Formats: sequence, C-alpha cells, structure tokens
Amino acid sequence: DADVTQTPRNRITKTGKRIMLECSQTKGHDRMYWYRQDPGLGLRLIYYSFDVKDINKGEISDGYSVSRQAQAKFSLSLESAIPNQTALYFCATSDPSGGPTDTQYFGPGTRLTVL
Amino acid sequence: GENVEQHPSTLSVQEGDSAVIKCTYSDSASNYFPWYKQELGKRPQLIIDIRSNVGEKKDQRIAVTLNKTAKHFSLHITETQPEDSAVYFCALPHPHSGYSTLTFGKGTMLLVSP
Repeated sequence: DADVTQTPRNRITKTGKRIMLECSQTKGHDRMYWYRQDPGLGLRLIYYSFDVKDINKGEISDGYSVSRQAQAKFSLSLESAIPNQTALYFCATSDPSGGPTDTQYFGPGTRLTVL
Repeated sequence: GENVEQHPSTLSVQEGDSAVIKCTYSDSASNYFPWYKQELGKRPQLIIDIRSNVGEKKDQRIAVTLNKTAKHFSLHITETQPEDSAVYFCALPHPHSGYSTLTFGKGTMLLVSP
C-alpha cells in the first residue's frame, strides 16, 4: 500500500547511536502505530497515536520514543540503540470511522540492525 | 494484557488441501477478530475479519469461524494454492487501550507445496 511509506527501508547502526525511523501517510487517517516484528514473536505494539496531540505507550515502549509531527507523520526514535533492538519495524494507520477497532494499513517496514 | 494463543506455529500442506489455523483468547469482552496475511518480504494485510454477532464469515476460499463460548476463532483456507504460502496472524482488540488497538498472535507460517 503506497499510501503508507517508511524511511529508511534498511539501516545498520552501532550500539549507542541515536536512530530515527520515519513514517508518512497520505490516507488521511488520524490513528498511527509503531510495531516491531521479531521471528516467532509476531507483531508487538511500541507506541500509538490517535491524533496529533495524543501519544500512548504500547506493550514494549522501553528504549523508544515517538513524535507525531503532523497528522501524516509519526516518527520512532531509539535514543541509544542496543543490539536487541535489531528487528523489522512497521508503521501502520487506521481510520476509526468504521468503529473502535478497524483495519490497519501497514507500511513496507524498516529493517534495523544494531551492531 | 490480552493473551492470544495461535496454533500451529508452522503448517505444511499439499496444494489443494485445506488448512486451518486456530487462535484462543481469554477476554470474554473481545468482539472483533481479524486475520492478517504477510507474504515473504511484504507488509501484513487484512484478509478477513469477523465481529462477535456472527459465527462464520466466508470470502471465496477463506473463512473465519468464531466460538465465543469456547473463546476461539479459526481461519480456514480451502483448495490451497502456492500463493497462499505466507505467515498468518490473528489479532484481538487490546483491553488496556479501551479495545482500540490490536494484540497479534505469534503467527503461523503456512507452506503450500505444489
């Protein structure tokens, strides 16, 4: 779905470095999410935002922070990257007009490797 | 948080066979049961969902069944084809967010052999 984009698509960094992953969407959705995916662990929610002034922690927020710069942009930061943050990161959006829980549209993912 | 157990973790079938993936949950207030498919190297995408007021929903070769009494829901794929090979995730609304976010199962890797 080209309406949700992520940059960069791949990133290799070193322990202790600050990293920012960016997500942009043209779907006009208010709700945005950040997940990480690890083999055998599924998709785990890091942070979510239901509008520009709303930020909420997910189940695994330690070591991460986020910024919702605009309706269309939601960034994930790793202030001091560590190797166990090596994972595939997905941004997603949804539109609550269909009800409290509704279809989530995922970006293409960012593969992050921390050495 | 909401606990959702997904089984099996891997499933291998021959083309044309049926495949069934099952998820069990504990929160009786859950009322929305989606399934996502993630092809190799691609993003997850919703393929089918069901709400608690119905027991079954079909879309061509895929169907989802819900047993609220036993607290489980299943994805059924009939006449499997190689392009059905992917990882499938069930999901549930998470109570800690007022049921406004999803908790995903750990996934089932389905391999359909020609």
